[in-house]
Amino acid sequence: QLQLQESGPGLVKPSETLSLTCTVSGGSISGSSYYWGWIRQPPGKGLEWIGTIYYSGSTYYNPSLKSRVTISVDTSKNQFSLKLNSVTAADTAVYYCVQIWGNYYYYMDVWGKGTTVTVSS
Amino acid sequence: EIVLTQSPGTLSLSPGERATLSCRASQSVSSSYLAWYQQKPGQAPRLLIYGASSRATGIPDRFSGSGSGTDFTLTISRLEPEDFAVYYCQQYGTSPGFTFGPGTKVDIK
Repeated sequence: QLQLQESGPGLVKPSETLSLTCTVSGGSISGSSYYWGWIRQPPGKGLEWIGTIYYSGSTYYNPSLKSRVTISVDTSKNQFSLKLNSVTAADTAVYYCVQIWGNYYYYMDVWGKGTTVTVSS
Repeated sequence: EIVLTQSPGTLSLSPGERATLSCRASQSVSSSYLAWYQQKPGQAPRLLIYGASSRATGIPDRFSGSGSGTDFTLTISRLEPEDFAVYYCQQYGTSPGFTFGPGTKVDIK
């Protein structure tokens, strides 16, 4: 059974870079119909799509975050990563990594448990 | 950009009752690109419905999805205690990608 696990610092200072990694286990990140993505949820609020990557390295970002986001993939480690630079308190959220089915249908069928990132000095 | 609106914001019902949740899009959405998720406190969302009406693996048949174009509905035929949660609809489009509705909270009356 496919599992996703987020890892990274839980506390980031304002103006610095938030860096998270998602480790995929129980399956390959190189599956042809799957994409991989990051979703975030500020405290008490709804879900926001951050971006998506294919195992080949093709990326798709939320235009509202595009100038600050980089998502990368390491197929040798079965991992993908998120970098969000110039963070502010508004970036405080639970960050989820997800597997996305992207062939005719588009949906997020496997979610990591999420990791809380707080932006504070 | 397609904006999703969910109504009502909160639905107060008793176990055994029927829940009808609405998701309305600002522009037409392909049914293939419409999904529903359930989120309980402290947990990650869980996929319930994809393609507007197809149940995900392991989802009980009391959950059903319907709709097309700009109006979609998630129905829970008889609420079980574990169904009280927040429900989100999601759509996929070429730009900006994925968007979610603001959610509907189903709580116990």
